[in-house]
Amino acid sequence: GAGVSQSPSNKVTEKGKDVELRCDPISGHTALYWYRQSLGQGLEFLIYFQGNSAPDKSGLPSDRFSAERTGGSVSTLTIQRTQQEDSAVYLCASSPRLTPASYGYTFGSGTRLTVV
Amino acid sequence: DQQVKQNSPSLSVQEGRISILNCDYTNSMFDYFLWYKKYPAEGPTFLISISSIKDKNEDGRFTVFLNKSAKHLSLHIVPSQPGDSAVYFCAAREGDSSYKLIFGSGTRLLVRP
Repeated sequence: GAGVSQSPSNKVTEKGKDVELRCDPISGHTALYWYRQSLGQGLEFLIYFQGNSAPDKSGLPSDRFSAERTGGSVSTLTIQRTQQEDSAVYLCASSPRLTPASYGYTFGSGTRLTVV
Repeated sequence: DQQVKQNSPSLSVQEGRISILNCDYTNSMFDYFLWYKKYPAEGPTFLISISSIKDKNEDGRFTVFLNKSAKHLSLHIVPSQPGDSAVYFCAAREGDSSYKLIFGSGTRLLVRP
């Protein structure tokens, strides 16, 4: 596609439920990132996928969070047993390079998750 | 421990005047600095960047200044336009082999007509 596509754009879920967020990166982009932006906070790194290598999961805040990238393309971020503090905008980004160039990487529009 | 700090959460400027957005960092290993702009309900979009070996980079109305000794950078927008109203994020890269960008908390700019 022309850009990074994320779905759903908005998700309201009840506390304790599981949610799945989807990211379609730009075709051919090797690197894929998940970030989140909580209210009043900056963008917080969650996870990085690079080709077929093991992902860097060092930013995942708890073991309730997991992510997959199937076939080197689409990625899903799963949050189990959601808590209110998980409410945030979850942003996916992709890059043709393994490391960000001087122009960084391209973000999707995000999924706004609200846990009630 | 925030490595990239944007201490002003908001800034209001009259149309046509200069907007100056500031960013401080603590990590001397950062080699590239980027500014992103974010409109509501959209993802951040790249605006301008600067290498740590330079002290200024200009692109149209946007200029980024880097003061390495002070570990400070600033984004100047001249003249400011109402369409510039957005949240601006400062970001930094820790060397060419690093794949992460470290972001500040953002500054919301409002340009008043």
